[in-house]
Amino acid sequence: ELKVEQNPLFLSMQEGKNYTIYCNYSTTSDRLYWYRQDPGKSLESLFVLLSNGAVKQEGRLMASLDTKARLSTLHITAAVHDLSATYFCAVVHSTSYGKLTFGQGTILTVHP
Amino acid sequence: EAQVTQNPRYLITVTGKKLTVTCSQNMNHEYMSWYRQDPGLGLRQIYYSMNVEVTDKGDVPEGYKVSRKEKRNFPLILESPSPNQTSLYFCASSFGGGLLLEAFFGQGTRLTVV
Repeated sequence: ELKVEQNPLFLSMQEGKNYTIYCNYSTTSDRLYWYRQDPGKSLESLFVLLSNGAVKQEGRLMASLDTKARLSTLHITAAVHDLSATYFCAVVHSTSYGKLTFGQGTILTVHP
Repeated sequence: EAQVTQNPRYLITVTGKKLTVTCSQNMNHEYMSWYRQDPGLGLRQIYYSMNVEVTDKGDVPEGYKVSRKEKRNFPLILESPSPNQTSLYFCASSFGGGLLLEAFFGQGTRLTVV
């Protein structure tokens, strides 16, 4: 059974600081997604990581995937208030490409 | 405008009364899926469909049914809703049967079963 764990679950940051959210998963997979959710809203796709060593960057966010370590990271650089949201990683099952398991989510709050 | 549309957005119903939540996408996506979101549990996949007439179970399929008779529509059916199905539901679609590209999510349906 595929398990996906994010940490931390809650993250309070000051503006301008850097931090990393971790996403660990329990079985082999080479496809991982990161999503953002604002309070009361739907999910917005941030990154699609399709292979070992994949790295993608958009603005102050950078995501990477290490399939051997079964680990993805979402790095936040010089945080700003607009980044406050809940961030989810989601892993595709290697034996069933339609099946997707999400992490619990990381609630990020960026303070002035 | 490319979008995934769910209806209704809010629904309060009574235990045992059959209901359907509709999901429609206008992007000609092969892949569609349903999720429920509960506090502290993240999103959990209920069912998914790789294409028309092809559906399979996600992690929490019990108490739900789906059908995919047309490419654009993927309704979620609760034959006999129970209070533990009170949740926020999301439908999503994606181009490519293997989730190769980003998924687009609907706005969500908040269901309360009393």
